[in-house]
Amino acid sequence: AQKVTQAQTEISVVEKEDVTLDCVYETRDTTYYLFWYKQPPSGELVFLIRRNSFDEQNEISGRYSWNFQKSTSSFNFTITASQVVDSAVYFCALSEALGGATNKLIFGTGTLLAVQP
Amino acid sequence: DTAVSQTPKYLVTQMGNDKSIKCEQNLGHDTMYWYKQDSKKFLKIMFSYNNKELIINETVPNRFSPKSPDKAHLNLHINSLELGDSAVYFCASSSTTSPQFFGPGTRLTVL
Repeated sequence: AQKVTQAQTEISVVEKEDVTLDCVYETRDTTYYLFWYKQPPSGELVFLIRRNSFDEQNEISGRYSWNFQKSTSSFNFTITASQVVDSAVYFCALSEALGGATNKLIFGTGTLLAVQP
Repeated sequence: DTAVSQTPKYLVTQMGNDKSIKCEQNLGHDTMYWYKQDSKKFLKIMFSYNNKELIINETVPNRFSPKSPDKAHLNLHINSLELGDSAVYFCASSSTTSPQFFGPGTRLTVL
């Protein structure tokens, strides 16, 4: 069965600190996709990144970076020099396919990040 | 331009009533979904539709009936609303090559 674990329920940091959100997944599929979504206080779900199981290259996008390690089944998300606007719930998700009707996202329970000014 | 839109944004109703939530996407995607987010923020898929055909039905009570009149629309009708149906309902869409993009959510409160 597929499962996503986000062990950190809440994290509080002070602005400009770096913070890493952990994500550990379980799947028997050899092909799968990993995602991060952001849910700010306004409530919408914002897509941040997707990764397929064949691409372990780390990715950086501005202050955001992602570390995918198949050996530990982890897909961690780091925010560098955090800002108050980063305050949100962050969800890690897993699917067996990228698109199509069978592409159901299995979500972790989310990590609430609070960035204090 | 809104990619995935839902109406209404808020819905407050009495137990036992029937209500509908509408979803539309203008991304040209052929697959649409409904997810439920409970009070603890846990997100779980309910349904998926591909080209108007039901593909995923995740053991959702049959009081919930999705309807897809065309590829761009997926509505959710709920009969005999119960207190436990209170949640935020998210619509999403994707193609075979894109991730899922979500609508703004509909907060349903059953009194």
